[in-house]
Amino acid sequence: KAGVTQTPRYLIKTRGQQVTLSCSPISGHRSVSWYQQTPGQGLQFLFEYFSETQRNKGNFPGRFSGRQFSNSRSEMNVSTLELGDSALYLCASSLVAGANTEAFFGQGTRLTVV
Amino acid sequence: AQSVTQLDSQVPVFEEAPVELRCNYSSSVSVYLFWYVQYPNQGLQLLLKYLSGSTLVESINGFEAEFNKSQTSFHLRKPSVHISDTAEYFCAVSREGQGFSFIFGKGTRLLVKP
Repeated sequence: KAGVTQTPRYLIKTRGQQVTLSCSPISGHRSVSWYQQTPGQGLQFLFEYFSETQRNKGNFPGRFSGRQFSNSRSEMNVSTLELGDSALYLCASSLVAGANTEAFFGQGTRLTVV
Repeated sequence: AQSVTQLDSQVPVFEEAPVELRCNYSSSVSVYLFWYVQYPNQGLQLLLKYLSGSTLVESINGFEAEFNKSQTSFHLRKPSVHISDTAEYFCAVSREGQGFSFIFGKGTRLLVKP
């Protein structure tokens, strides 16, 4: 079956702009999480959605937001982009929403802010 | 607060030699433990996980990890590495009550030399 699909794979934006990233989870998976990966900070949790509800949120400013649709697809939005937002953004999906759940990651969207 | 420490940022090793990648965690409650692997320009792939039961868990490609509750460790081992094992390895924990989210270590780059 198809894996987690993230689009686009690469993105270049200018400081101050806003960006929307998309994630399509594995069919049947209802939990979607987002992570930011940078060389300095490593992998950091952004937020998690389950059945269209944000259940958990990491320590990021309000410029970072997300949503989940009824088909479980998710989008994350970053407004007023800063140079420090340059990162690989990873989406993960899982069948259920417990902590003892295996997560499947997409290949990520590499965002470069110039 | 939870944290995950991967003690080595890079581990160089010759092909067919054994390797151990170290991971320690801190948490006041029970956790679930995972090792993920990331190849260049790819997302994360689950290598193995400890949820409950036997403290020694194995992957299909020869890696194993042992959960040691008293030492709060989950070290990853392989008795004989291949060139193709060259990648970044991440240790992660999740726990109940936090929905579905991981706390990741900073990663260990395994470099297998011929």
